[in-house]
Amino acid sequence: SQQGEEDPQALSIQEGENATMNCSYKTSINNLQWYRQNSGRGLVHLILIRSNEREKHSGRLRVTLDTSKKSSSLLITASRAADTASYFCATDAGGNQFYFGTGTSLTVIP
Amino acid sequence: EADIYQTPRYLVIGTGKKITLECSQTMGHDKMYWYQQDPGMELHLIHYSYGVNSTEKGDLSSESTVSRIRTEHFPLTLESARPSHTSQYLCASSGQGISYTFGSGTRLTVV
Repeated sequence: SQQGEEDPQALSIQEGENATMNCSYKTSINNLQWYRQNSGRGLVHLILIRSNEREKHSGRLRVTLDTSKKSSSLLITASRAADTASYFCATDAGGNQFYFGTGTSLTVIP
Repeated sequence: EADIYQTPRYLVIGTGKKITLECSQTMGHDKMYWYQQDPGMELHLIHYSYGVNSTEKGDLSSESTVSRIRTEHFPLTLESARPSHTSQYLCASSGQGISYTFGSGTRLTVV
């Protein structure tokens, strides 16, 4: 399976702290994306990083990609209670389908 | 918020019933997808379509069927619901861009 795995499965931090979650995948990819899912809702696209990029920023989000290790990380800086959600990575290996990881459940405590 | 709509949001139904989960998008996207999401959060692709009259099965075997008669509409049907079908079903679409737009999901419970 190409599906990625997020690590950790669950993360609980205080408001204002940084949250880091990791994604590992198995095959070569064209790009990797991160999505967010609030409880009981659909997924929302956060950021995309292409295979020839190493780092990307969007607001309080920072994504890194290491294709040699087949891994990516998502950093959320200065976390807020509203960041509480599940976060998924999705990889595109060129088959017009995305393979989603297992997700990290983030809880930000006010 | 996303211009992709799923109905119903919640459905509790008895074993053996036929059900159709609706998914519609107003963005003119060619590609549409159905995912099944386990209680442990993992998403599994069960069906996808790249355009009208095009449907394919995904990686996860499913007893459901889909149709794509119109670009904007991609319903999923279970002919005979079973408790093992209890899950969250997420519909998504994508156009020229790479990212997916997801609906809010249908949480199905078969009793």
